[in-house]
Amino acid sequence: DGGITQSPKYLFRKEGQNVTLSCEQNLNHDAMYWYRQDPGQGLRLIYYSQIVNDFQKGDIAEGYSVSREKKESFPLTVTSAQKNPTAFYLCASYHRVGSTEAFFGQGTRLTVV
Amino acid sequence: DAKTTQPNSMESNEEEPVHLPCNHSTISGTDYIHWYRQLPSQGPEYVIHGLTSNVNNRMASLAIAEDRKSSTLILHRATLRDAAVYYCILRPPTRITQGGSEKLVFGKGTKLTVNP
Repeated sequence: DGGITQSPKYLFRKEGQNVTLSCEQNLNHDAMYWYRQDPGQGLRLIYYSQIVNDFQKGDIAEGYSVSREKKESFPLTVTSAQKNPTAFYLCASYHRVGSTEAFFGQGTRLTVV
Repeated sequence: DAKTTQPNSMESNEEEPVHLPCNHSTISGTDYIHWYRQLPSQGPEYVIHGLTSNVNNRMASLAIAEDRKSSTLILHRATLRDAAVYYCILRPPTRITQGGSEKLVFGKGTKLTVNP
């Protein structure tokens, strides 16, 4: 079955450590997105990519980094420079052509301990 | 970025219709209107989308104002499983050339509570 997979579902990080969240899709989608969601809040855009080897900063990119070496994969690294990384992280993808819907992963809940 | 405005929360009774409004006064002529919903601790899921005409699918109906500056998601008979946060977003047109901006911007959405 086609879909978008995020892993791990739960992640614990010590302060000062970098951590990478995985996002993989087998839908042949061009565009991929990373969002951050804090309790009771909406989704805020971190980074997005429309084609391989290209990505753009979203509204809250500071303290995060991404890569897009393969069409299927868009990993997000939360660096030690992100001062408040505890949040729910969501990855999404869609076909750029047409008006098709976006598909979301089930999210990764990151907690700094 | 084109923005949308939604009420923070709405309440409904089970088996009654629900009308969830969304204002998007700065919508461009080519933006699609998309609706998603998010259940607790899950990723959002697609509900419906439209451009100019009203749309129906198995989940809901979408009514789009003639001037396209507002839209309404209609759940014909709310169930307890419809309790979620509903997001209205604008999907910009595809830009095939590299460097085009296709930001998908989500607001805070409307939290729908369904009473039994």
